[in-house]
Amino acid sequence: GDSVTQMEGPVTLSEEAFLTINCTYTATGYPSLFWYVQYPGEGLQLLLKATKADDKGSNKGFEATYRKETTSFHLEKGSVQVSDSAVYFCALSDRGSTLGRLYFGRGTQLTVWP
Amino acid sequence: GAGVSQSPRYKVAKRGRDVALRCDSISGHVTLYWYRQTLGQGSEVLTYSQSDAQRDKSGRPSGRFSAERPERSVSTLKIQRTEQGDSAVYLCASSLSQPQHFGDGTRLSIL
Repeated sequence: GDSVTQMEGPVTLSEEAFLTINCTYTATGYPSLFWYVQYPGEGLQLLLKATKADDKGSNKGFEATYRKETTSFHLEKGSVQVSDSAVYFCALSDRGSTLGRLYFGRGTQLTVWP
Repeated sequence: GAGVSQSPRYKVAKRGRDVALRCDSISGHVTLYWYRQTLGQGSEVLTYSQSDAQRDKSGRPSGRFSAERPERSVSTLKIQRTEQGDSAVYLCASSLSQPQHFGDGTRLSIL
């Protein structure tokens, strides 16, 4: 079945450090891939997405490239800020499914210190 | 705003009681999902439904969990005979197509 595996946290970085959060997936169809972010006390917000192989999603300085050959969608940011502290979830949705349910990774807690 | 709204934000209930959580989705969105989020386990879908003019297609309810959709943009997640393991954050999401838009969640604590 479809599933997502992402690196376990917590991840603690100093401001302006480089961030990588690894995500790999297993899917039987042709998934769309997503990164969601959850700030304390809030719901999930879409951070970026990619719908086909080699697509790069980007937003707010974050980037992730859909790598079909390695079944990966790693999240990167060149210089993190304190305001990036949140939990990050990698997710996939099988585009072949009309209902488009999301399969989430377990989440990675990121804390950025000034 | 015009986002997904969930109520209550926090709910405390005694074990064995039934609880109901409400979700007001974005107007015009067809598909509505309920997810359960637990610490370290991520988020898993509980149920989902699609509604059109003719009928509502509900996802497979899982035992004590069921969702009703009395109006197209309103869903109620019902949990029967709550257990301590039901303590979690329950997230509602709606979509017309991808991506899904999430509410802020209801944090449920079972004593």
